[in-house]
Amino acid sequence: DGGITQSPKYLFRKEGQNVTLSCEQNLNHDAMYWYRQDPGQGLRLIYYSQIVNDFQKGDIAEGYSVSREKKESFPLTVTSAQKNPTAFYLCASRWSGGEYSYNEQFFGPGTRLTVL
Amino acid sequence: QKEVEQNSGPLSVPEGAIASLNCTYSDRGSQSFFWYRQYSGKSPELIMSIYSNGDKEDGRFTAQLNKASQYVSLLIRDSQPSDSATYLCAVPTGNQFYFGTGTSLTVIP
Repeated sequence: DGGITQSPKYLFRKEGQNVTLSCEQNLNHDAMYWYRQDPGQGLRLIYYSQIVNDFQKGDIAEGYSVSREKKESFPLTVTSAQKNPTAFYLCASRWSGGEYSYNEQFFGPGTRLTVL
Repeated sequence: QKEVEQNSGPLSVPEGAIASLNCTYSDRGSQSFFWYRQYSGKSPELIMSIYSNGDKEDGRFTAQLNKASQYVSLLIRDSQPSDSATYLCAVPTGNQFYFGTGTSLTVIP
């Protein structure tokens, strides 16, 4: 089955720790995205990548870092500099071919991060 | 001004009624529009897309687009309790997707 996987499903972090959230897709999509969702709020873009070895900051990149060494993988690291990281983190991907503006985003199941 | 705006609700409708969800967007050049459904604790799933002015129907769902008014809506006919969820309007601009804050819908049995 094609799709996006995220792991772990739940993650607990102590103050001052860095943690890495995994996102893998086998849809052969070039573009990948990381969003953060807080209760009662919409999706806020953290980082996105259109191609391997290239990525751009979104609206709330401070305290986060990413890498894109493989087309299939786009891990997100939540660093200790992120002061309020408790949230639901969503990874998404999008096909870059065809009429690009008509291509939807597909989402992974999400990772719920809690700071203890 | 936010790129995409939705009434946050909550919206409650009785089972069997029509639920109407609305969304406005700011980029007049937007070409495509998406509706996602998100159940509590789950990730968003695509339910409708629309690209041309007018109506697009898919089962009990109808998306309506009016580019002149920069307005897109989602109608859910014969609402079912399983339709209770948050509905997100999404509008891509360039490489990014802009999401509304979502409208919470509750269908009362």
